[in-house]
Amino acid sequence: NAGVIQTPRHKVTGKGQEATLWCEPISGHSAVFWYRQTIVQGLEFLTYFRNQAPIDDSGMPKERFSAQMPNQSHSTLKIQSTQPQDSAVYLCASSLDSSGNTLYFGEGSRLIVV
Amino acid sequence: QQNVQQSPESLIVPEGARTSLNCTFSDSASQYFWWYRQHSGKAPKALMSIFSNGEKEEGRFTIHLNKASLHFSLHIRDSQPSDSALYLCAVSMSGYNKLTFGKGTVLLVSP
Repeated sequence: NAGVIQTPRHKVTGKGQEATLWCEPISGHSAVFWYRQTIVQGLEFLTYFRNQAPIDDSGMPKERFSAQMPNQSHSTLKIQSTQPQDSAVYLCASSLDSSGNTLYFGEGSRLIVV
Repeated sequence: QQNVQQSPESLIVPEGARTSLNCTFSDSASQYFWWYRQHSGKAPKALMSIFSNGEKEEGRFTIHLNKASLHFSLHIRDSQPSDSALYLCAVSMSGYNKLTFGKGTVLLVSP
């Protein structure tokens, strides 16, 4: 079991460019979460999929952020027209979907917008 | 809207000391309580969880939960330099596995 795999580990984009981040959850996990981590805000929830269906995107900045889960083996987080304030570590996590199950995190994708 | 607060923000303790980290939450309907540990540049990893009032011990680590006080804590006995990390508390509700995290406590254990 390789754990949650995230790519790329590091990405530098120019202001206004698009960034796509990828996540491969642990096989057999039906819940996939995206979080964003910064020094100032800590770990912030972005969005959640259950069995590939979007369940809760209440943390997503509405205009430029989108997430998809086209199949059970990967999810993507896309940021259009990136801004310096989007610079953060984006963390993907997966779990069995029942309440109280452990979330297993990937090591994250560090996005730097210059 | 769940609000999770941690204290202190940072802590330096000598090797062998007992360390206490605190977490408060705002929603009394919260059901599941977690501590995660994150070493620098690494993924957050679940350390311990508790689902009912009281105390739970695993090795050098103990969680206390008091739902009436909206408070839970992590205690580390005989702290080691390898315990130096960012400690994150998290809370979730019944029926939904989404975790709301505090901003973390940075622990440094000096040899």
